[in-house]
Amino acid sequence: DGGITQSPKYLFRKEGQNVTLSCEQNLNHDAMYWYRQDPGQGLRLIYYSQIVNDFQKGDIAEGYSVSREKKESFPLTVTSAQKNPTAFYLCASSSVRDSPLHFGNGTRLTVT
Amino acid sequence: KQEVTQIPAALSVPEGENLVLNCSFTDSAIYNLQWFRQDPGKGLTSLLLIQSSQREQTSGRLNASLDKSSGRSTLYIAASQPGDSATYLCAVSNSGYALNFGKGTSLLVTP
Repeated sequence: DGGITQSPKYLFRKEGQNVTLSCEQNLNHDAMYWYRQDPGQGLRLIYYSQIVNDFQKGDIAEGYSVSREKKESFPLTVTSAQKNPTAFYLCASSSVRDSPLHFGNGTRLTVT
Repeated sequence: KQEVTQIPAALSVPEGENLVLNCSFTDSAIYNLQWFRQDPGKGLTSLLLIQSSQREQTSGRLNASLDKSSGRSTLYIAASQPGDSATYLCAVSNSGYALNFGKGTSLLVTP
């Protein structure tokens, strides 16, 4: 079955450590996205990529970094510069412009 | 910046009722509007996508309408069932790619 795989489901880190969240898709989609979800805040866009080797900052990119070396992979690194990293992180993809977004099941990151 | 608002924030209805969820947005220059469902602790599932040139879309018991000029969309759920209990999110795209989301409506359908 085609889909988006996010791993791990739960991630725990100490403050000051960088951490990388994995997102892999086998839908052959060109565009990929990272969103952050906090209680009562809705989803906020961190980064997105329309094609390989290209990505754009979203509304809350500070303290995050991404890479898009392969079409199927779009890892997100949460750096120690991110002030409030504890959140639910969602990866998504879409095939072409103006098409539905498909989401993974998310990674819940807890930083203490 | 595009702002998306969903009303009500929470809704509880008995099984069998028809219901309407509301979404409004501030910038009418949109490419599309999408409705999603989210179950607790899970990702989002796409329900309906309405392109800017369309007025409505239907899928089974769901019907979504779009009035771009007034910046409004509604999601109509017919004959609600307990399995419809979830959070429903509205999102708009001004570029055809990234979406701006509302905070969602949490729906509980009681047997």
